[in-house]
Amino acid sequence: SAVISQKPSRDICQRGTSLTIQCQVDSQVTMMFWYRQQPGQSLTLIATANQGSEATYESGFVIDKFPISRPNLTFSTLTVSNMSPEDSSIYLCSVVYGDYGYTFGSGTRLTVV
Amino acid sequence: AQSVTQLDSHVSVSEGTPVLLRCNYSSSYSPSLFWYVQHPNKGLQLLLKYTSAATLVKGINGFEAEFKKSETSFHLTKPSAHMSDAAEYFCVPLSSQGGKLIFGQGTELSVKP
Repeated sequence: SAVISQKPSRDICQRGTSLTIQCQVDSQVTMMFWYRQQPGQSLTLIATANQGSEATYESGFVIDKFPISRPNLTFSTLTVSNMSPEDSSIYLCSVVYGDYGYTFGSGTRLTVV
Repeated sequence: AQSVTQLDSHVSVSEGTPVLLRCNYSSSYSPSLFWYVQHPNKGLQLLLKYTSAATLVKGINGFEAEFKKSETSFHLTKPSAHMSDAAEYFCVPLSSQGGKLIFGQGTELSVKP
């Protein structure tokens, strides 16, 4: 199985600033995903990060707010831009490997004050 | 389009009694389905997955789920609950578009001594 290292594990940020979250995988994977889990809620997919092309965003999420980079097959970043308290959530990256093997990072717990 | 409904937002059982967490999906064809568990302040862990093989799927920690196409259900069961089973459980179908996981609303399982 693939092992994901996600950083930072948590952060407290001032409103109006940006935070970049890193996701490092120990093997090459084609598909990487970024999710948001708002307090007390389920996971919502933000975007699919594609290596060598623009990320594909889900309805309600835009590139200006959540820019994503995918420079190679083992790494991706998600930036939460111009943060407001409503952005306080857990952000998780996920990868798929082999047949139906989905693994999740441990998450980044973001608090915006 | 695929969607999933977890019929109970919260289930409470006594230790040693059976667990039933209900999940119904809607789809025009049999999807791949997963159950994930999220313990408080922990990451997501895969319990089991159905991928068009045997309809009764056995997972970790004594959990199992049965895929019933006629009922479009994929309920999660365990014969005897343990205190350590207290967590949030997510029923997750695999989207036919882009390999994305679609998370249900989640069911919080409480286990009373």
